[in-house]
This record gives sequence, structure tokens and C-alpha cells, in this order.
Amino acid sequence: GESVGLHLPTLSVQEGDNSIINCAYSNSASDYFIWYKQESGKGPQFIIDIRSNMDKRQGQRVTVLLNKTVKHLSLQIAATQPGDSAVYFCAETVGANNLFFGTGTRLTVIP
Amino acid sequence: GAVVSQHPSRVICKSGTSVKIECRSLDFQATTMFWYRQFPKQSLMLMATSNEGSKATYEQGVEKDKFLINHASLTLSTLTVTSAHPEDSSFYICSARQGGNTIYFGEGSWLTVV
Repeated sequence: GESVGLHLPTLSVQEGDNSIINCAYSNSASDYFIWYKQESGKGPQFIIDIRSNMDKRQGQRVTVLLNKTVKHLSLQIAATQPGDSAVYFCAETVGANNLFFGTGTRLTVIP
Repeated sequence: GAVVSQHPSRVICKSGTSVKIECRSLDFQATTMFWYRQFPKQSLMLMATSNEGSKATYEQGVEKDKFLINHASLTLSTLTVTSAHPEDSSFYICSARQGGNTIYFGEGSWLTVV
């Protein structure tokens, strides 16, 4: 499958600060990317997605940036809250087929 | 919103037995479902793609005779782990495609083989 990896396996931030989680992908043909949040013992929860024809997409407190030149994704979480503590995965798909997941980053929010 | 349900959420079985995990799309029809396996502190690994009415497509390295997948209806896919061994113990997650790129995940099923 495609190779999707993350730069940082763990990230600790103070409550109220902004968080940035990074992801690198290797398949330049990937045309759709999704960020998921996974809490312990649960299935992945959709956060935000972005298509390859976009550079940026904003949701509620979250922003995803896509840099196709360097094949890099980032997830920005504004005003991070304790409830944001989880493992975050980026995933990519080519032609709306199978999703391939990155390594994951564990975000810990310090109260 | 759309919900994907997995059952059982936790199961313990003896070595050598088979165990079945169900994945249901509760309020939409899913022509395609996916099965993932996740080891502790690791990412989700795609095992196979389940297509309604046809054979599943397995990823490289996944034994199709070991992990039997059946997608008999548009709302149900099953994963059967046959002749289970302790190394099959893992968190199994399914997802279902609701058209286009919309994919919903189940809550996962913990399998422990003793």
C-alpha cells in the first residue's frame, strides 16, 4: 500500500494553545486525504478532509493544510482542549478506493 | 447521521476455534466495506476490501483462508477468524463507504485468543 507517515509520534501541548500535527505521504496520485481522531479502545472518528485540488480547509477549531509539492499534510487544532487528547491519524486514498493510514501521533493536552 | 455498528465489541475465544465479527451499516447501504486490524500503539492496517455480492479483495500478506470475509447484503459484512491463535489477538475495525469518499468507521472489536 501507499506509505503515509508522520513526523512526530507524540505531541504535548498546554490547554488553550494551538496544536499542529504533521503527516507526509508518498503517493503523488493520492487525491483525497482525511484526518481521524482515535480515542483509546474506540474506532477512528472523522475530523476533517481535503481534496487534492485544495490547499486549505477549515472546520470548527480545526484546519487542514495540504502541500502537494512536498506531499505534506498538517492538522491544526486551535485552542486545544483536554478532550482533544487522542491519537490522530492521517489517511490517504487514490481514486476513492482504499484508505491507507499513517503511523499516528499521540496528542496530550496538559491542563 | 450514518452509523456503522460492530458486534461483538469484545470477544474471548480459545485457540483453534473460529470467531465471527459483524459489521453493519445501520442507516445506509454500503456496497463496499473495509476491514482493518490494529495492534496496540500502532496504526490501522487494511486487511481487505469487502464488496457486496463478490469475493473480498485481500491486501498482500493477509491470509484469505484465515480471515474469511463475507458481504452477503448491502448492510452486513462479516469477518471470521478461523482456527484462531493467540497472535490473532487484536483490535479489528470495519468501515463502510456511503457513496463517493464518505466512509464511516465502526467502534471496533477486541479479540483475545487464549
